[in-house]
Formats: sequence, structure tokens, C-alpha cells
Amino acid sequence: EAGVAQSPRYKIIEKRQSVAFWCNPISGHATLYWYQQILGQGPKLLIQFQNNGVVDDSQLPKDRFSAERLKGVDSTLKIQPAKLEDSAVYLCASSSGPANTGELFFGEGSRLTVL
Amino acid sequence: SQKIEQNSEALNIQEGKTATLTCNYTNYSPAYLQWYRQDPGRGPVFLLLIRENEKEKRKERLKVTFDTTLKQSLFHITASQPADSATYLCASGSARQLTFGSGTQLTVLP
Repeated sequence: EAGVAQSPRYKIIEKRQSVAFWCNPISGHATLYWYQQILGQGPKLLIQFQNNGVVDDSQLPKDRFSAERLKGVDSTLKIQPAKLEDSAVYLCASSSGPANTGELFFGEGSRLTVL
Repeated sequence: SQKIEQNSEALNIQEGKTATLTCNYTNYSPAYLQWYRQDPGRGPVFLLLIRENEKEKRKERLKVTFDTTLKQSLFHITASQPADSATYLCASGSARQLTFGSGTQLTVLP
């Protein structure tokens, strides 16, 4: 079974530029998550989708971050404009049901460096 | 506000010993707790889930306990091996969301 795919693995940009990350979850998984992990910290939920609807985006900085999950499959997370504090690993995860029903499957992450 | 805390200090133990990691939560009662392993440069990998009505869960050399009175979960690795060296993340869950702690870095010395 193929895992969660993310790209790009690494991205370096200057502040005020824009960047987009892509995620393809495990086939058949209804729930998709984007987490931000700053060095030395645990993952912080940015947004959670159930199929193509948003379940929780309370911690998404909506003035600069946006995410979509068209057709309820793959997803894109965009940052525009980027700030220095956005330097982090952006993890995508998926699960077959809501988070309380079992494990999350994570991708390898996209590491963003903002200069 | 809801808080989930793990011992931020790194834990070093000798091979063959039992490693015990702690996860504490305050100001709420999670319906379940999950534990994940994260290696450098990789995404977290699920290990175990324990629900509030379960006191203990086991999987091979791993054991997790959930004490709702102490508001604490303990994660044990018995007969530890150098390959167990990684960061271990605790996550608390409600009906809608999973919140992660900052993780504890474990090093098993040969």
C-alpha cells in the first residue's frame, strides 16, 4: 500500500515570496490533515478536511495560509506571503476516519526555509 | 487552556533496560491518547492508541498506561535496543482533533 506522498521535500524561499505544498493521501482515506512542525516542537494542526469539506481550520493563519482539497483526494497548502517564522516542516497526514477512531498516517514532510 | 506536556529533556538509557516516557495533560480530559515515533527527517509513525476507559495497552515490547486520576500516560519500551532511539510523541484526542506534545528524545546506548 502506497503511503502519503508529499512534495517538494525541501524548499528555500525569501520572505514575502509564496510557496505551495502538495499532498496525496492514502487511497480511500477520507480525512486529511496539514500539520506545521517547528524545530524542537510537536506537530501543530493547521487544517483538517473530511472528504473535501473543512472540519477544523481554527489554527490556520488565514491572512497568509490557504488550503484546498479538490475532489476530496489530494490537497494543496499555500503560504503567501511567507514570513521568517513560517520556517518549519509541513506534514500531511491522512486517516480512514476521524482522528478519534485510529491512527494517522504521515508523509515525510516538506521542509520550508524562509530567508 | 488545554495543555499536553512531555518531558522536554532527552532520555538516555542503557541497552536492555526499560525506557519510561511521561505524558501529562491539564485542564481537560481527552477521550484517548496516541503515541508516535519520529525519526530525524521523517514523519511520525503511529505506535499505540489507548482510550480513557482502558488502563493499559501492549504491543510487543511496548506498553502504554492511561491514568485519568493523575492525568498522565506512561509509555514503556522493555528490553530497549539502539534501534529504539528516536523522538516519541504523545498526542491527546477529542472527538475532532488530535493535539501533539513536543516529544521526548530517547537515546539507547549500546
